[in-house]
Amino acid sequence: EVQLVQSGAEVKEPGDSLKISCKGSGYIFTSYWIGWVRQMPGKGLEWMGIIYPDDSDTRYSPSFQGQVTISVDKSISTAYLQWSSLKASDTAMYYCVRHHGGVINNWFDPWGQGTLVTVSS
Amino acid sequence: DIQMTQSPSSLSASVGDRVTITCRASQSINSYLNWYQQKPGKAPELLVYGATSLQSGVPSRFSGDGSGTHFTLTISSLQPEDSATYYCQHSSTTPITFGQGTRLDIK
Repeated sequence: EVQLVQSGAEVKEPGDSLKISCKGSGYIFTSYWIGWVRQMPGKGLEWMGIIYPDDSDTRYSPSFQGQVTISVDKSISTAYLQWSSLKASDTAMYYCVRHHGGVINNWFDPWGQGTLVTVSS
Repeated sequence: DIQMTQSPSSLSASVGDRVTITCRASQSINSYLNWYQQKPGKAPELLVYGATSLQSGVPSRFSGDGSGTHFTLTISSLQPEDSATYYCQHSSTTPITFGQGTRLDIK
């Protein structure tokens, strides 16, 4: 079974750093782009960016460029999303997704279960 | 960025009804359009990809249509378990964007 399993919920203070993870299993991890999607409380879905695990080629949405870093450790089939200095506005659910297809002409399946990040003083 | 606009934003329908949700793109996206279903407290799930292809395991009462800038998701006979929020998403270029969502309630 193809699965993406994400790390657990986090509660952080403004200014903290954070790295959340997404581990793939049941498929060849290096053959599919992995993406990240944000969902703020009560809101819709926002695509943040993608990484190709085989060569770490990374693309960011302009809305998130410079705000987060996407990385991967292909030796353990795990992708990461990290912040160097969290803000209250980063409070959201974050999903990792497997991209079927390329940078364009793709669809997301499966989705990870989500990691809730809460940033509050 | 390509803007995706869904209509309606919410609707309420009865079991057995035929329901159609519309998604419009701000420019042509060919058939690079996908639909997802999200139930409360759960991650979204893929329903339709490439505008018309039904994902494996998705009930046949769901169907997608359209190309260019106008797309539809139709549920032919609404079931209680279809209560959810539905999102369209284009993959014509980056950044990938989603519609704002359509909340579907069962009367």
